[in-house]
Amino acid sequence: DVKVTQSSRYLVKRTGEKVFLECVQDMDHENMFWYRQDPGLGLRLIYFSYDVKMKEKGDIPEGYSVSREKKERFSLILESASTNQTSMYLCASSLLPGAANTGELFFGEGSRLTVL
Amino acid sequence: SQQGEEDPQALSIQEGENATMNCSYKTSINNLQWYRQNSGRGLVHLILIRSNEREKHSGRLRVTLDTSKKSSSLLITASRAADTASYFCALQTGANNLFFGTGTRLTVIP
Repeated sequence: DVKVTQSSRYLVKRTGEKVFLECVQDMDHENMFWYRQDPGLGLRLIYFSYDVKMKEKGDIPEGYSVSREKKERFSLILESASTNQTSMYLCASSLLPGAANTGELFFGEGSRLTVL
Repeated sequence: SQQGEEDPQALSIQEGENATMNCSYKTSINNLQWYRQNSGRGLVHLILIRSNEREKHSGRLRVTLDTSKKSSSLLITASRAADTASYFCALQTGANNLFFGTGTRLTVIP
């Protein structure tokens, strides 16, 4: 079974702090994603990566950066956390879509971040 | 918008009844996927239907797709209390990304 592991389930940080959210997957997936989930807004894509050292902006990249130095690890960085970044953050991975697969996403358990 | 839109936003039924959730969208799709999320947890993939398919079954799940109406429905038969969760449709439009709706919150009352 695919496993996507997010390093922290709950974090509390102060405004202005630098925050790292780590995500590791164990199935050699090419694609990795970071979403945030807020009530009434659903899941919104922050960044995704389809290969090591490659990244693409999603719908809401402002205030975030990412790092993918190894295929299995995708990190989300909040350079200077703000209260409006309080949210649930979800990491996901998938194979590249193709005839043999469907691009189904495998999610981690989520990291609930509170910025005070 | 490339998001799907689920309807209803919330649904409450008695155990044993069937639950139907709908997803409407505006763009062309390669496939449409349904996911489930228990409260405070990650999403879990349930079922996928390709754009050239009209109906798929998986256990107690039945998904239909009408590309002419740009809509899909998820039917859960003989619901159980453990089916209580939020259900999301997600559209794959050709890129690597999936576009998620805002979900239907299902409550199954024992």
